[in-house]
Amino acid sequence: GAVVSQHPSRVICKSGTSVKIECRSLDFQATTMFWYRQFPKQSLMLMATSNEGSKATYEQGVEKDKFLINHASLTLSTLTVTSAHPEDSSFYICSARVVSGDTQYFGPGTRLTVL
Amino acid sequence: DAKTTQPPSMDCAEGRAANLPCNHSTISGNEYVYWYRQIHSQGPQYIIHGLKNNETNEMASLIITEDRKSSTLILPHATLRDTAVYYCIVRVANFGNEKLTFGTGTRLTIIP
Repeated sequence: GAVVSQHPSRVICKSGTSVKIECRSLDFQATTMFWYRQFPKQSLMLMATSNEGSKATYEQGVEKDKFLINHASLTLSTLTVTSAHPEDSSFYICSARVVSGDTQYFGPGTRLTVL
Repeated sequence: DAKTTQPPSMDCAEGRAANLPCNHSTISGNEYVYWYRQIHSQGPQYIIHGLKNNETNEMASLIITEDRKSSTLILPHATLRDTAVYYCIVRVANFGNEKLTFGTGTRLTIIP
């Protein structure tokens, strides 16, 4: 149980384009999902907290207009990287918290490469 | 949330118990200790968590000292697939404050 999926697993795009990453909780409902970013040889950094049906809460230094988050249902959250640049190349990871629980479960991650 | 201190790296022989320490001397009474691990190029995997009692599940055991200022994650029979970065995280467990703050973790290498 407690499986979280992400799609796509890898994406390569041209600079200036937008990329959408999906995060799904497959066998549980998640009122809260989280988006992290991880650069090579670094630890995970929380970008934003997404609550179903409401606006996401962004961490300091994360541009909300560049990283659009939508959490339209209890099983799906999306992160759209708008006008991507090479410095946005990173490993993006989502996690989801079980509605009735407290533990976060993580997806497998999406590796974004912006050329 | 309280900060944690972990050794940057450890080696363990395959088949032996791997004991990963974590110091959290500023932990508050309502903060839990969580352990996650991240295998290369994958998302973190939840291992175990506890408040003050020792905990055991199918993956590992968590030993928390009586003063709760430190803990040890034990992988009883390490395999090569346990090679990963292990993160010890302390946080308040409630529905209003759910952030996980990842430190640098311990890179555990299982030696054949």
